Amino acid sequence: AQSVTQPDIHITVSEGASLELRCNYSYGATPYLFWYVQSPGQGLQLLLKYFSGDTLVQGIKGFEAEFKRSQSSFNLRKPSVHWSDAAEYFCAVGIYGGATNKLIFGTGTLLAVQP
Amino acid sequence: NAGVTQTPKFQVLKTGQSMTLQCAQDMNHNSMYWYRQDPGMGLRLIYYSASEGTTDKGEVPNGYNVSRLNKREFSLRLESAAPSQTSVYFCASRDGLAGPRTQYFGPGTRLLVL
Repeated sequence: AQSVTQPDIHITVSEGASLELRCNYSYGATPYLFWYVQSPGQGLQLLLKYFSGDTLVQGIKGFEAEFKRSQSSFNLRKPSVHWSDAAEYFCAVGIYGGATNKLIFGTGTLLAVQP
Repeated sequence: NAGVTQTPKFQVLKTGQSMTLQCAQDMNHNSMYWYRQDPGMGLRLIYYSASEGTTDKGEVPNGYNVSRLNKREFSLRLESAAPSQTSVYFCASRDGLAGPRTQYFGPGTRLLVL
């Protein structure tokens, strides 16, 4: 069955430090992968996506993610975290085929940023 | 261009009451979705509509019904609300009938069932 695992429920980093959020997926076909961010009380905003091509994907707000097929991973990174990055981050895999087009989400990682 | 809008923003219900959550998108998207978000569980798909006139069950459809009223609107109905349906509900939409596309989310409806 398709699934997405985000092993870290909660992460705290200092402002200016680097960040890596982990995401592993289980899907037998070509994965289409997404990272979304949710600020407190808000909806989800797309950070970046991987459909094909270059395995290092650039997104908004200085985020990037690297698709590693051999590790079934799509980890999100940022070289220098800002206080405004405090939010919850969701990784998702897209399931497409026939009339099916939907996302399977991970359980999320809550990021806190210390001054 | 408002994107995906949801009403109401907040709602408190008593057990057994019914209500309909409304969702509309102005991006001319074909597919629309309803998710619920619960702490520690991420977003789980309740129902989706791949195109106008079609609806399909997601992971957690029990206790819900949906109506794809037209291409713009997709409503979620709770016929007899239960405390287990206390959650944040998100509507989303995407372009295209098939293949990978981005889903765009509304701001959510926060529902409390007492």
